[in-house]
Amino acid sequence: GAGVSQTPSNKVTEKGKYVELRCDPISGHTALYWYRQSLGQGPEFLIYFQGTGAADDSGLPNDRFFAVRPEGSVSTLKIQRTERGDSAVYLCASSSGQGANEQFFGPGTRLTVL
Amino acid sequence: GQQLNQSPQSMFIQEGEDVSMNCTSSSIFNTWLWYKQDPGEGPVLLIALYKAGELTSNGRLTAQFGITRKDSFLNISASIPSDVGIYFCAGRSSGNTGKLIFGQGTTLQVKP
Repeated sequence: GAGVSQTPSNKVTEKGKYVELRCDPISGHTALYWYRQSLGQGPEFLIYFQGTGAADDSGLPNDRFFAVRPEGSVSTLKIQRTERGDSAVYLCASSSGQGANEQFFGPGTRLTVL
Repeated sequence: GQQLNQSPQSMFIQEGEDVSMNCTSSSIFNTWLWYKQDPGEGPVLLIALYKAGELTSNGRLTAQFGITRKDSFLNISASIPSDVGIYFCAGRSSGNTGKLIFGQGTTLQVKP
């Protein structure tokens, strides 16, 4: 399809493990966003990229979280030493530019840390 | 993290009834957005508002950008079963940032 895709759709891991979550944005979209959604809450901003660079990473909760977008397309959110509190749905969105352009969301990756 | 104050948290209504939900913030926003999220999917944009006082419609949906720029509301008229879902407001503080701040959501259930 032509929408934002995220893999895996579900990820179960053990406390202390490392995980990578992948996002494929809509082709041609230069801006890419990561949000985290806990149960019963709205999405919470983590980081966004304009091209290859992180334009705003103010939402990353701590240094265990890191995201890259080396070629300005696919992005990977990396979480080290996972904790049970990291369990949530991680949403990715993309837009044709930052600012006023509509953000199109993917279906999310549900991360469960046991 | 920062979130908008959205109310009500949930609504259970009869098909055909009108629905209203609102969102308030202690900060000024330059853009207000309303999204709908179905189970297992990401949010989908319903309406975007870019100017204080703006009133915008999309079919049976109407939304307004508050004059103070600190609030917005969404109305759904003549609700139907497919309106069921979670509705989120979101705000953007300036035109140069992609960062959205979301409300906690309003869960809507419609009884046929």
